[in-house]
Amino acid sequence: DTAVSQTPKYLVTQMGNDKSIKCEQNLGHDTMYWYKQDSKKFLKIMFSYNNKELIINETVPNRFSPKSPDKAHLNLHINSLELGDSAVYFCASSLQGFDEQYFGPGTRLTVT
Amino acid sequence: LAKTTQPISMDSYEGQEVNITCSHNNIATNDYITWYQQFPSQGPRFIIQGYKTKVTNEVASLFIPADRKSSTLSLPRVSLSDTAVYYCLVGPRRGSGAGSYQLTFGKGTKLSVIP
Repeated sequence: DTAVSQTPKYLVTQMGNDKSIKCEQNLGHDTMYWYKQDSKKFLKIMFSYNNKELIINETVPNRFSPKSPDKAHLNLHINSLELGDSAVYFCASSLQGFDEQYFGPGTRLTVT
Repeated sequence: LAKTTQPISMDSYEGQEVNITCSHNNIATNDYITWYQQFPSQGPRFIIQGYKTKVTNEVASLFIPADRKSSTLSLPRVSLSDTAVYYCLVGPRRGSGAGSYQLTFGKGTKLSVIP
């Protein structure tokens, strides 16, 4: 059984489009995260939710909006996609706070 | 904000012990140090976490000096399958509310194990 799953695995879209990436965890964790890994492999946190409440919101354009319908899901919606949004996006979860994080397989977003 | 610094890359032969050091001069009192491993096209995987002195598990050891301004991940007898990027992460284990969590990943150390 997959602990943290993301869909889609690959996403190719054009500039200006709106897209969503879904994340689900079946570990019963309270905290979920979204990370962005760019072409230089830098891994940067974007958002963190604890039990559906936003607790971290790094300096991310407001075109990015996380949505947590329940504590097992944290979706990422991106409006007006730009070339610079091309990256691999990882979802992760942890029991609480800064505990051991379990990462999903990643979604490779390519904006053309 | 605790910033981390790691070597960009390291090479090692199979069977050797590998030590990767992470500097975190601004580490806060309630910060923990965590190391993750990432293979190409996969998400990072937790290796080990510690606060001070030494922590050991089945895959690695983590050495943290008394001043906690650095830490060393030790991988015993590496194999080709240990070729990966290793990230050092510093942050509080439990926060007291919004803004308490500071998750700073280092730039990672690319370890290449040579046959």
